[in-house]
Order: sequence, then C-alpha cells, then structure tokens
Amino acid sequence: DVQLVESGGGLIQPGGSLRLSCAASGFTVGSNYMSWVRQAPGKGLECVSVIYSGGSTYYADSVKGRFTISRDGSKNTLYLQMNSLTVDDTALYYCARGHMVGTAGFEYWGQGALVTVSS
Amino acid sequence: EIVLTQSPATLSLSPGERATLSCRASQSVSNYLAWYQQKPGQAPRLLIYDASNRATGFPPRFSGSGSGTDFTLTISSLEPEDFAVYYCQQRYTWLGTFGQGTKVEIK
Repeated sequence: DVQLVESGGGLIQPGGSLRLSCAASGFTVGSNYMSWVRQAPGKGLECVSVIYSGGSTYYADSVKGRFTISRDGSKNTLYLQMNSLTVDDTALYYCARGHMVGTAGFEYWGQGALVTVSS
Repeated sequence: EIVLTQSPATLSLSPGERATLSCRASQSVSNYLAWYQQKPGQAPRLLIYDASNRATGFPPRFSGSGSGTDFTLTISSLEPEDFAVYYCQQRYTWLGTFGQGTKVEIK
C-alpha cells in the first residue's frame, strides 16, 4: 500500500528555517512527480513546489528563492527546506504524489505537517 | 499563471438533490483538470482526474465533464457523506494551481 508520512513541522520564529520530510512507502519517490501543497488555517489549497521524475523543480512565486524541494532515493523521502519563514507561511503542509495513470490529479496525500510561524 | 474560478462559493442543498459545481480556467487547460473532496480535519481526496475519470473508491453518482476552460462536477443525488468542500486543480502548467473551493452544505 502507498503511504506518505510527513514530519518536521513545528513552531518557528519569523526569519527561521525548517525542513519538512515526507517518508514514502509502497512506491519509489523518483518514479512520479511529487508536490508540497499547503493549506493555511481556514483557507484553500496552494501548490508550493513540485519535483518531477527527471529532477526538474518548480515553485510558487510566494516561496521562490526561499523554499527548496528535493528527494533522497536511498531514504525514499521527499523534503522541503523552508528558509526566511514569514507569518504567511503558517499552514498545514501536505506532500502528495501524482497519479500513475492520469496526468492531472494527486492520487495520494500524507496527513500533513503543521508549520506555525510566530514570534 | 492560470487562475481557476469555482462557483458557487457555497451550495446549500438537501440530501437527494443534484449538485452542480463549476470550475472555469483563465485559459485552456485541455483536460488536465482534477477534482478533490475535502472533509474537516482530513487531507483532500482525489475524486476526478483528467476531467472525467472517477478515482478509486468514489461511486458513480460523482461525474466530471468539460475541457478547455469550462468544467463541471456533478453529484447526481447527494448522500449525507457528500457534504464537504470540493476543489478543482489544473495541471496544464508545471506547478499547477487550485481553485478556491466550493462548500456543499446541508440546507
């Protein structure tokens, strides 16, 4: 069975850094595109970063230059390095995996890691 | 950036009624559109992929249609467990964007 388990969230001061991890099981992280999707309290969904099987990465304008997505095949884990955090980055961060057959749609989601940026 | 506009923001219906949700893209996304269902305290769950393909675990009362810029999610007869927030998402661009969501609430 496919499973995604996020970790690394917490309370951090503005300007600080945090690294989220997403441990995958049931598939190889490099076999399909994967993303980090965040949801601020009471708000909608925002795709902040994606990494494709070939290694190409893309970022939302709101995080470009501050966040870095990466993966480690040996650990079968996806990461999101978040620097220069602001209060606007406060959200539940989900990792998600693309659909194996279709083009559009995240087929699997983790349970989320809560990031709270506050002084 | 492709903007997805969902309407209405809130849909108040009774069980057994038909729900029609709209998602309009600011430019064509071909059929690269997905729909998700999200219930309180839960991660989103893929409902429809590639505009019209129902994901595993969802019954036939859910259907998706459309291509280009106009898409529709239809729930033919609402069951109590269908009251939730629904999001559309395009994957025509490398990053992809979500609509702002439609809440289907019990009238």
